Amino acid sequence: GDSVTQMEGPVTLSEEAFLTINCTYTATGYPSLFWYVQYPGEGLQLLLKATKADDKGSNKGFEATYRKETTSFHLEKGSVQVSDSAVYFCALKWGSASKIIFGSGTRLSIRP
Amino acid sequence: EADIYQTPRYLVIGTGKKITLECSQTMGHDKMYWYQQDPGMELHLIHYSYGVNSTEKGDLSSESTVSRIRTEHFPLTLESARPSHTSQYLCASSEPAGQDNEQFFGPGTRLTVL
Repeated sequence: GDSVTQMEGPVTLSEEAFLTINCTYTATGYPSLFWYVQYPGEGLQLLLKATKADDKGSNKGFEATYRKETTSFHLEKGSVQVSDSAVYFCALKWGSASKIIFGSGTRLSIRP
Repeated sequence: EADIYQTPRYLVIGTGKKITLECSQTMGHDKMYWYQQDPGMELHLIHYSYGVNSTEKGDLSSESTVSRIRTEHFPLTLESARPSHTSQYLCASSEPAGQDNEQFFGPGTRLTVL
């Protein structure tokens, strides 16, 4: 069945470091891909999305490119801030299905 | 800003009590969901609804039940709480069918059963 695999955390970086959180997926067809972020004590919120191959989603300095050939959607940011500390979830949604399949989440901690 | 609300935000309760976790949204979304989030952060879908009078079991078996009498309201009930029910519960909603429609999440209810 469809699934999402993302790198295990926790990931700890210093402020202004470059960030990559890996995400790969298994799905038939061409799903839409998402990154959600969960700040401490809050629910999830959409960070960015891409709906077809080679699309790049971007928001708040974060980027991810839908790579069909490698079935990946890695999250990147050039210079992280302490305020980026959160849990990040990669997810896919296929066709008109209501359900979203989430990865297991990656906790990111940024040191000042 | 998503208009989806959950109450209470935190609940500590004794074993055997009946509890209802409230979820409401003002966006007119037909589809609503309940997730259980374990301490390792992983999300598990436990219930969802396509609209009024529609409820479905999710991927993770749960002793909880849900109802959908009104579009905006999707409460989750535990008839007899147990320590194994201790978890974070997240409610979400989304617009009707569309491949790239996101889910909007409430802030969650953290439940502790003693």
